[in-house]
Amino acid sequence: QQPVQSPQAVILREGEDAVINCSSSKALYSVHWYRQKHGEAPVFLMILLKGGEQKGHEKISASFNEKKQQSSLYLTASQLSYSGTYFCGTTYNNAGNMLTFGGGTRLMVKP
Amino acid sequence: NAGVTQTPKFRVLKTGQSMTLLCAQDMNHEYMYWYRQDPGMGLRLIHYSVGEGTTAKGEVPDGYNVSRLKKQNFLLGLESAAPSQTSVYFCASSYSHLAWGNEQFFGPGTRLTVL
Repeated sequence: QQPVQSPQAVILREGEDAVINCSSSKALYSVHWYRQKHGEAPVFLMILLKGGEQKGHEKISASFNEKKQQSSLYLTASQLSYSGTYFCGTTYNNAGNMLTFGGGTRLMVKP
Repeated sequence: NAGVTQTPKFRVLKTGQSMTLLCAQDMNHEYMYWYRQDPGMGLRLIHYSVGEGTTAKGEVPDGYNVSRLKKQNFLLGLESAAPSQTSVYFCASSYSHLAWGNEQFFGPGTRLTVL
């Protein structure tokens, strides 16, 4: 069952902040965040692991609430280059070889 | 260092035709994946491989076959194409287990239209 992302779409002005959520009905082991610009391939942003370890982008932060089975991606002081569709992908155990992706959140940053 | 490459970039097929998509990576990654992405949707895993000579089914494997004869290549085959297989196909690779904190590197995609 795929994770649910919210909101589905958001429009920001440059410099504004946004939060994108990824919720699961199953216990999560890791959450992976990717950004995809129109017509391009997804690009890695961040990985959050059960237990608190993180790996990823310097300018982007995220949280992983194991009890709530949820992860949030925080985009602060947004830039035009942040525009795109954000996807979370999840694994459910430490043997996870597959990511189950959410439906995506479309972010548009306007000048 | 080209990363992950896909061939071809675009293809139009008629219903019932067959074709093979080629994915190649030069990062010496063990794991490789094939996804499809329908308009306005997320990525769905078709098949994946955890090493040379191994393959496994993903979420939506029906109508597709794969082979991993060489570590650097992962082939996706459509034996009898159907209009429902019209999609953008992405290949990806990772060094090891995704759950252990390994990121996926994606290829540029192949846009397939089945008439």
